[in-house]
Amino acid sequence: DTEVTQTPKHLVMGMTNKKSLKCEQHMGHRAMYWYKQKAKKPPELMFVYSYEKLSINESVPSRFSPECPNSSLLNLHLHALQPEDSALYLCASSPQLGYEQYFGPGTRLTVT
Amino acid sequence: SQELEQSPQSLIVQEGKNLTINCTSSKTLYGLYWYKQKYGEGLIFLMMLQKGGEEKSHEKITAKLDEKKQQSSLHITASQPSHAGIYLCGADIYAGGTSYGKLTFGQGTILTVHP
Repeated sequence: DTEVTQTPKHLVMGMTNKKSLKCEQHMGHRAMYWYKQKAKKPPELMFVYSYEKLSINESVPSRFSPECPNSSLLNLHLHALQPEDSALYLCASSPQLGYEQYFGPGTRLTVT
Repeated sequence: SQELEQSPQSLIVQEGKNLTINCTSSKTLYGLYWYKQKYGEGLIFLMMLQKGGEEKSHEKITAKLDEKKQQSSLHITASQPSHAGIYLCGADIYAGGTSYGKLTFGQGTILTVHP
C-alpha cells in the first residue's frame, strides 16, 4: 500500500481565517514533506520532516506553520493567508531521506 | 541549486506511437525521479535512477540515466491514451554523500495521446 491521504480535498478560506491541512500515511515512512504547486508550475518544496523533526524550511512565510505530531501524521496550519497563497498543496512521504517520495492527492486551497 | 531542463515542453502523439522525454541537469544527478501527474492531482511515482548507465522499465515505460549522470530520458513504447498527463523529472539534492530529501523538479512535459 503506497497511499498518502490528504484532507480536505478543497478549502476556501478568508484572509483572517485559521485552518489546517492534514496528511496521513501508514507505510511506516519516516520522512514527510509539504509542497506547494501553482497552476502550470512544478511543485516547490516547503518543508521536510525526518523522524518527526523539521529538517528543511525553504524560507516559507510564518503564516504557514507545519507540525508533525507523530510518524504517521503531518499538519500544515494556515493563518492570515494572502490570495497569492492559493495553490495545490501536496504532501509526500518516503521511507527515509533519499528514497522515492509518494505523494497524496493534494488540497486545493483558495484564499479569498 | 540544481536546475533541470525538460524537453519537449509538450508532445502530441497518435496512439501507438513511441515517444521520448528528456531531462538534463546542470549538475551531477545523485537521485533522479520520474513522476506523472494528471492536472490538479497528486504525483504518481514512476521510477528512480541513481547509477550512471542505469535503465529501468515498467510496463511500456523505460527510463535511463546516462553514464555521466547529467541526463535522463523517459521512453514510452506504443503510447496509449492512458499515458496522457504531465511528466516531471525530479532531482535529489546531495551534499557530502547525504540526501536532504529536497526534490527539485523540471518544468514538466505535457503529453497528449490521440486515439
